[in-house]
Amino acid sequence: EPEVTQTPSHQVTQMGQEVILRCVPISNHLYFYWYRQILGQKVEFLVSFYNNEISEKSEIFDDQFSVERPDGSNFTLKIRSTKLEDSAMYFCASSHSNRVRYGYTFGSGTRLTVV
Amino acid sequence: AQKVTQAQTEISVVEKEDVTLDCVYETRDTTYYLFWYKQPPSGELVFLIRRNSFDEQNEISGRYSWNFQKSTSSFNFTITASQVVDSAVYFCALSEPEIQGAQKLVFGQGTRLTINP
Repeated sequence: EPEVTQTPSHQVTQMGQEVILRCVPISNHLYFYWYRQILGQKVEFLVSFYNNEISEKSEIFDDQFSVERPDGSNFTLKIRSTKLEDSAMYFCASSHSNRVRYGYTFGSGTRLTVV
Repeated sequence: AQKVTQAQTEISVVEKEDVTLDCVYETRDTTYYLFWYKQPPSGELVFLIRRNSFDEQNEISGRYSWNFQKSTSSFNFTITASQVVDSAVYFCALSEPEIQGAQKLVFGQGTRLTINP
């Protein structure tokens, strides 16, 4: 079964550093998403992306965050200057259409630790 | 706005007991989807089920069953004859209305289930 692949599985970075989280969505999917889960809390929507632009973003997704699909296969989340509170599990997801009835697949996550 | 409530923060049972995880949702939409995900200690989200709002039939998959009650806005999950491997955090989620662009999911707070041998 097709998978959404996220790398790395765990990243440790120093506060103030830039970090890029990478995702390879399912190949024929057109919609891409990032979600965040702070340890012990619920999974929260960050941003959705379609046709090379952001469709929707949450309040969490401030100017420190950006997303990009640089080469037609990868989908990246960049945090410009990490803060301690950015430590979380970040999940990428993709869907073939903008309707969840057609499937919605999560990657296995990247655990980001900011020290 | 959509909201999902999982009132049970933690549940602990002895192996082989049946356990039900509650999920109550709020939405003004008539067309929506409900999900259950399992999150084992390794951290990934494991998809368990997707159910649309027009299908109120209960579903059974092995030891897992789901009870969808539209009248009470609930989508409860039961594990029969629980096993230690069922220990995980379980999330219920609700889709945003279809008219609003790329659909996102709204998650509940999760229920941490511990099955003791």
